[in-house]
Amino acid sequence: EIVLTQSPATLSLSPGERATLSCRASQSVSSYLAWYQQKPGQAPRLLIYDASNRATGIPARFSGSGSGTDFTLTISSLEPEDFAVYYCQQRSNWVFGQGTRLEIK
Amino acid sequence: EVQLVESGGGLVQPGGSLRLSCAASGFTFSSYEMNWVRQAPGKGLEWVSYISSSGSTIYYADSVKGRFTISRDNAKNSLYLQMNSLRAEDTAVYYCARVSESSSSLDYWGQGTLVTVSS
Repeated sequence: EIVLTQSPATLSLSPGERATLSCRASQSVSSYLAWYQQKPGQAPRLLIYDASNRATGIPARFSGSGSGTDFTLTISSLEPEDFAVYYCQQRSNWVFGQGTRLEIK
Repeated sequence: EVQLVESGGGLVQPGGSLRLSCAASGFTFSSYEMNWVRQAPGKGLEWVSYISSSGSTIYYADSVKGRFTISRDNAKNSLYLQMNSLRAEDTAVYYCARVSESSSSLDYWGQGTLVTVSS
């Protein structure tokens, strides 16, 4: 069974800074990895699919990279609305990572 | 506009049963794979179950296998989750989510329905 490990658990940054979130798979998932954003009281929203493709309507400051076992979600310049929890997920057994909380410093 | 609307949540005693529904609109439901995902209070997302577009292929998380049953009625544009032998640890918001036709991701989610298992 593939396990996804996200790091860090919490990331404290200021608006305007660059955020780098990591997701590591216990075995290769090729490029079948997605990233989601979840704000309090809301359903998750798809940000990135197939490791590096932005979903419809997602701003260009969000980018994804990686393949195999190591993946990164980058937010180039944080906006106030970007502070949320981020999850990665892979298709093989649909499991999610444990999440990274991005909080305002 | 794609819409997924869950219903059927509520308070149930341990050992009880509940059936969740997800009404789909704005797309050709019969062409899409679907999933149930849950989130316990203050916790992360947990995948629960998957069903193919025809209903012929089904998967479950180990935590619910043998207790939960996923199904769909393509004529009614509806997805279901029959939950039996409920436990306190099944308390969560349950989301239905559509699998993207072109990628291995969940591109649309419902707003969720809360299931509370407590005596």
